[in-house]
Parts: sequence; C-alpha cells; structure tokens
Amino acid sequence: DAGVIQSPRHEVTEMGQEVTLRCKPISGHNSLFWYRQTMMRGLELLIYFNNNVPIDDSGMPEDRFSAKMPNASFSTLKIQPSEPRDSAVYFCASRWDLLYGGYTFGSGTRLTVV
Amino acid sequence: RKEVEQDPGPFNVPEGATVAFNCTYSNSASQSFFWYRQDCRKEPKLLMSVYSSGNEDGRFTAQLNRASQYISLLIRDSKLSDSATYLCVVINNNDMRFGAGTRLTVKP
Repeated sequence: DAGVIQSPRHEVTEMGQEVTLRCKPISGHNSLFWYRQTMMRGLELLIYFNNNVPIDDSGMPEDRFSAKMPNASFSTLKIQPSEPRDSAVYFCASRWDLLYGGYTFGSGTRLTVV
Repeated sequence: RKEVEQDPGPFNVPEGATVAFNCTYSNSASQSFFWYRQDCRKEPKLLMSVYSSGNEDGRFTAQLNRASQYISLLIRDSKLSDSATYLCVVINNNDMRFGAGTRLTVKP
C-alpha cells in the first residue's frame, strides 16, 4: 500500500499565480480530507469528500479556494489567485469509514507564496 | 471556547519519565477519539484510538472520560524518540476536530 500520495512536495509561487495541489487517497478509502497547517492556526479542515461528493466545505477560506474529486482515486485543491497568507503546509488525508478508523495523511505540500 | 483544547506545552521530561497529556472537548455527543503523533516537518500519524474502556499499547495508555469530556494519553518510560507533538482528534458524525497539539521533548 503506497499510502496517501500528494504532489508536489514543495511549491514556491508568486502572488497572483494559480496553484494546484494533488492527492491520491488510499485505494478503498471512501472519505478524503484537505487540511491546512500553520504555526498560528494549527491543523484546519478545509473540505472533505465522502464517496467523491463534497460534504462540508465550510472551512474553505474564501472563493479563491476550490476543491474537486472527479473520481475515487484523485482530488485537487486549487488556489486562484494565490496570496502570501496562503503559505502553509497542505495535507490530504483519507479514511475508509467516515466515523471509525483513523486518518492516513499524505506527506503534505509545503506552499510558499512570495 | 475552542471545541478541542490541549495544553500546547512544551513538556520537557527526562528519559524514563512518565508523562500525561489531556485533551478536552466541548461536544458531549462526540463519538470517536484518537491520538496522533506529528514529528517536525512531517505529517500526523495515527498513534492510537481511544476506547471508552481505556486501551493500552506498550508504553502508551489512552483513556476517555465522557463525564468530564476529556481524553488522556499516558506515556511510560519515555524515550528520546517519543519527542514529537501529540494531537488529539474528536469526531462527531461529520464533524472532525484536531487539537492544536502538545509538544513533548524527552531529554537524555
């Protein structure tokens, strides 16, 4: 099992550019989560999907952020346009059951917007 | 009041010490509880689930107190390799919350 795979590992971009983060969940896991982690705010849930359907996107900061899950094996988080305050580590996680079972996190994407 | 609260620490303890962390939650209907460990610049990794009856995994013991709405993690005979940030997770239906984490440093 390759675990949750995220790409890229690191992204440095200029303010105003579009950024796309990618995630491949563990096969068979039916829930996928996008988190953002900063020193100031800790781990924040941005959005999660259950069976490819977005369930709760109330954590998405603003309209500049969007997420999709076109199929069970792929999800994207897009920021357009990016701003310096978006700099953070973005984690994707998946789990096989919405209520029970632990999350498995990907290695994260460290985003720096300059 | 935050939905899930943890003492951020840091806890600095010598090798071999016993150390305990608590995590309080505000939603009495919360159903599932976990402890995660996060090393510096790494992703969080599941340490253990927390069951109502309490559970143990080697040097680690997790307990749940529903009446007082907290979970705890006890580490016995701490090792240098236990140095990390420990995050609690509280789940109620579709609502999942992470604590901000408690930083532990075990020193020689």
